[in-house]
Amino acid sequence: VIWMTQSPSLLSASTGDRVTISCRVSQGISSYLAWYQQKPGKAPELLIYATSTLQSGVPSRFSGSGSGTDFTLTISCLQSEDFATYYCQQYYSFPRTFGQGTKVEIK
Amino acid sequence: QVQLQESGPGLVKPSGTLSLTCAVSGGSISSSNWWSWVRQSPGKGLEWIGEIYHSGSTNYNPSLKSRVAISVDKSKNQFSLKLSSVPAADTAVYYCARGTVGVFDLWGQGTMVIVSS
Repeated sequence: VIWMTQSPSLLSASTGDRVTISCRVSQGISSYLAWYQQKPGKAPELLIYATSTLQSGVPSRFSGSGSGTDFTLTISCLQSEDFATYYCQQYYSFPRTFGQGTKVEIK
Repeated sequence: QVQLQESGPGLVKPSGTLSLTCAVSGGSISSSNWWSWVRQSPGKGLEWIGEIYHSGSTNYNPSLKSRVAISVDKSKNQFSLKLSSVPAADTAVYYCARGTVGVFDLWGQGTMVIVSS
């Protein structure tokens, strides 16, 4: 099983801030990493796949980077609608696994 | 556009079987996608349960494999989850999702299942 560790678990930020979320993986997964955004009471939504490819319709302020075991999600200029919980997920092997989540809250 | 909708009992007794169905609308379940179940325990993260292809091929999470069965009904354009011998720890929101090369690009709205007597 590939374990995913996100940091921080909680991030307090203000609108307009640049925020970075880290996802560390227990073994190399090449670029087989995705990021999801989840708002309270809603299903997760795909933001990024293949480490850095934006899903259709996702604003360009979101970006992803990394390879191997260390990955990053960056929101360049936080907007009010971005306050949510973010999850990374590996699809290099079975079982598919997710990080524990990073909640981005209003500072 | 393609939409997914989960349905099933919201309350299951301990040691019973949890049964859910995901209806696929606006598209065919026989497309080149895998169809997954993912759950989220209250206040917790996401756990992938397993997936099925329209041919009937499946992949399961080893942590649940002994209790899980996912099936597909192409005539009804839907797929289903059965989770047997459920303890209270199986209480969660259950999502169905469309997988494209392992990425979940479309999700149902989720359905809450409580395991309680």
